[in-house]
Parts: sequence; C-alpha cells; structure tokens
Amino acid sequence: GAVVSQHPSRVICKSGTSVKIECRSLDFQATTMFWYRQFPKQSLMLMATSNEGSKATYEQGVEKDKFLINHASLTLSTLTVTSAHPEDSSFYICSARDPYRGSYEQYFGPGTRLTVT
Amino acid sequence: AQKVTQAQTEISVVEKEDVTLDCVYETRDTTYYLFWYKQPPSGELVFLIRRNSFDEQNEISGRYSWNFQKSTSSFNFTITASQVVDSAVYFCALGGDSNYQLIWGAGTKLIIKP
Repeated sequence: GAVVSQHPSRVICKSGTSVKIECRSLDFQATTMFWYRQFPKQSLMLMATSNEGSKATYEQGVEKDKFLINHASLTLSTLTVTSAHPEDSSFYICSARDPYRGSYEQYFGPGTRLTVT
Repeated sequence: AQKVTQAQTEISVVEKEDVTLDCVYETRDTTYYLFWYKQPPSGELVFLIRRNSFDEQNEISGRYSWNFQKSTSSFNFTITASQVVDSAVYFCALGGDSNYQLIWGAGTKLIIKP
C-alpha cells in the first residue's frame, strides 16, 4: 500500500516551453502533497506544500508564478514548470501524506528528471 | 530551529565490512520523528525506518540497525556485513512541525567496493 506515482519519469523540453508533472497517490487519499527539487549530489529541497482544494504554500525563494502547483483532488497534484530554462533542469520529486497512516510519514514518487535544452 | 546534520559526505568501504552513518539533529519539539531513507542511483527514495521521540529502543532489521540516543541527539544507522547493493545515498530526516514537513540532512554517499 501507499504507492505514489509520478509521470513522466523523464522529460526533455526546449527552453521557453512549459512542462507538467503529475503526482498521484494510487491507493490512498493524500490530504497533503509536497514537491521537492534535487540537484545532483545535493539533498532534497522542499519547493512547496499543497493541500487539497487550497493554494500551495511555497518555500522562500521559489517562484510561484514559475512553478505552478495544483492539488485539485485527493489523489492528484500537478507541478507545471512554466517558460522553462536550462537552470530549471533538475530532479523533481513529489511525496504525499496519508493522514490515516501516521502524522509525518511521506510516501515518495519515483521522481521526474527534467532536462531543458 | 530544526536542523539535521550528516557530517559524512562520502564513505567507502570494502564489501562485508560494517559501516555506520551518523545523523545528529536539533529540535526544540518534545514530539518529533526521525527517518532514514535510501536513494539508489535510480533516484527513487526508499523508506528505511521511522522513529518517534518517545521510543528510544534500538531497532534491528536484518543487516540494518539504528541507534537512537536523545542524550546526544543522534540517530545513527549501521549496516552490518555490507554488500555492493547497499551502495546509495542515505538521508536522515526530521519531522515535527505543524506543517508536516521534513527537514533533510545533506545525505551520505555510501560506496561499497567488491
């Protein structure tokens, strides 16, 4: 149980285009989802926290207009990287919280590797 | 402020050796949770353990064991008889605020040589 999927696993896009990444909780309802970014050889950096039906809370330094997060249902959150640039190339990971399984347990998706050319 | 320190950036050992990964945390919360995750080259995070602040019992799971010591604010992870498949980056994380966010350590890259 507690499976989180991400799609796509890899994406290459041209500079200036937008890319949408989907995060789904497959067997539970996720009241809260988290989006992380990870640069090579670095730790996870929290970008934003999204609660179903409300606006996402962005961490300091993360541009909300560039990284659009939508958590429209209890099983789906999306991250859209708008007007992507090469510096947005990174590994993006989502996680989801199941409130019935424990307060701080996060279940992670397999990640999406974004390359902007 | 909450903080997690993994001072060992990289550890390299020969297969079958025991290895300990250190994790030191800082928090003012009385209730908190500590986690260890493994991140193999594929990138997908693998959950290893969760420990709450009220449970200081050491945990053993096969070749893996964890030593939680509140007195030193440490939650160290030991792999006994290491194997090449243990090669990965290991992250220690702390949870305890009202936003359910995790504070991550920098990670320790573990290299097991055959």
